Amino acid sequence: SQQGEEDPQALSIQEGENATMNCSYKTSINNLQWYRQNSGRGLVHLILIRSNEREKHSGRLRVTLDTSKKSSSLLITASRAADTASYFCATDGGTSYDKVIFGPGTSLSVIP
Amino acid sequence: EAQVTQNPRYLITVTGKKLTVTCSQNMNHEYMSWYRQDPGLGLRQIYYSMNVEVTDKGDVPEGYKVSRKEKRNFPLILESPSPNQTSLYFCASRGQGNYGYTFGSGTRLTVV
Repeated sequence: SQQGEEDPQALSIQEGENATMNCSYKTSINNLQWYRQNSGRGLVHLILIRSNEREKHSGRLRVTLDTSKKSSSLLITASRAADTASYFCATDGGTSYDKVIFGPGTSLSVIP
Repeated sequence: EAQVTQNPRYLITVTGKKLTVTCSQNMNHEYMSWYRQDPGLGLRQIYYSMNVEVTDKGDVPEGYKVSRKEKRNFPLILESPSPNQTSLYFCASRGQGNYGYTFGSGTRLTVV
């Protein structure tokens, strides 16, 4: 069963604008993670937020988590062409930290 | 350099011919995992391992085997590959207390 689902599926913005991606999940979690994937390459871990946290920052990234709504958002501020990639949320389903389920991803295009 | 190394990067094989995709990490990580990535389906977990000789099934384990005889290696074995196992495969690892995974560069497998 799909645990994480990102929204939108695709997003196109101009360089310098902010990009917001959303993730919804179905069951309780221990933590939620966001990853980036450049075309056909391995995923890169961006940020992790624990179930008892509501917001977390890392550089130009801001992640929020609302466990009551079972949703998270990833905000990339002042986007750059190099941010063009697919972004995935991943959750552990609350049972095992390593039974990690990824959503289908959001494809972000940043136009120079 | 800390990394997860998968081999081969590309592989074309025929139905029924046993194959092994190797995965090795040099970070002394306890946890390792295999995923397959298919268009429209995102990443799906095949197997994961919590330590040497400890493995468990992910969401799509059918048709695959794994072993964890050494901490650094986590090979994925396809005993009798079929065309529906044509996919992009990723190995990933993480250390104790750090829930973000480091991914390998991927293995693109085609079964004809």
